[in-house]
Amino acid sequence: DIQMTQSPSSLSASVGDRVTITCRASQGISNYLAWYQQKPGSVPKLLIYAASTLQSGVPSRFGGSGSGTDFTLTISSLQPEDVATYYCQKYNSAPLTFGGGTKVEIK
Amino acid sequence: QVQLVESGGGVVQPGTSLRLSCVASGFTFTGYHMHWVRQAPGKGLEWVGVIWYDTSNTYYVHSVEGRFSITGVNSKNTMYLQIKSLRADDTAVYYCARGPGSSPSFSDYWGQGTLVTVSS
Repeated sequence: DIQMTQSPSSLSASVGDRVTITCRASQGISNYLAWYQQKPGSVPKLLIYAASTLQSGVPSRFGGSGSGTDFTLTISSLQPEDVATYYCQKYNSAPLTFGGGTKVEIK
Repeated sequence: QVQLVESGGGVVQPGTSLRLSCVASGFTFTGYHMHWVRQAPGKGLEWVGVIWYDTSNTYYVHSVEGRFSITGVNSKNTMYLQIKSLRADDTAVYYCARGPGSSPSFSDYWGQGTLVTVSS
């Protein structure tokens, strides 16, 4: 099975900073990659699918890129409401594995 | 609006069985794959399995194959997750989620989850 590895596992950044989270697949998955945000005590929320397509209603400061095995989620200007854990998920074929998550905090 | 409501969780003893339900509303149930995802306390998300939009196929994460079974009743807009031989490491919040598209896909709407605690 394909493994999904996220890095870093946690980060602390200041409001307004540019934040980058990476997700690496152990084999190529084309662009079948989604990103989710889970705020503390809340349900996961879809941010991005097809590696770079922003889900409706998601702020434009979120962006995704990559193809094959290496993917990136970028928050262009970190806001206090972005404090959350972020997960990638591959969906080219079952099992639809999630990455381990990246916890984002405000410095 | 799209709504997914899970139920059936609770405190159960190891070795017993449990059936979780997910009732969908606000969309055409037969047009979407449906997923179960779980999250152990303080841990990350784990995809559990999916049932095809027409209930013709199911797929599971290898660690639950043989113990977990997903079924669907399209006439009731309801999906079920049957869990046998419950173990302590099955303790988690179980979410149902909708998967758009014609093949296994990401999840665009999630329920609030139902907590399963396996403890003697």
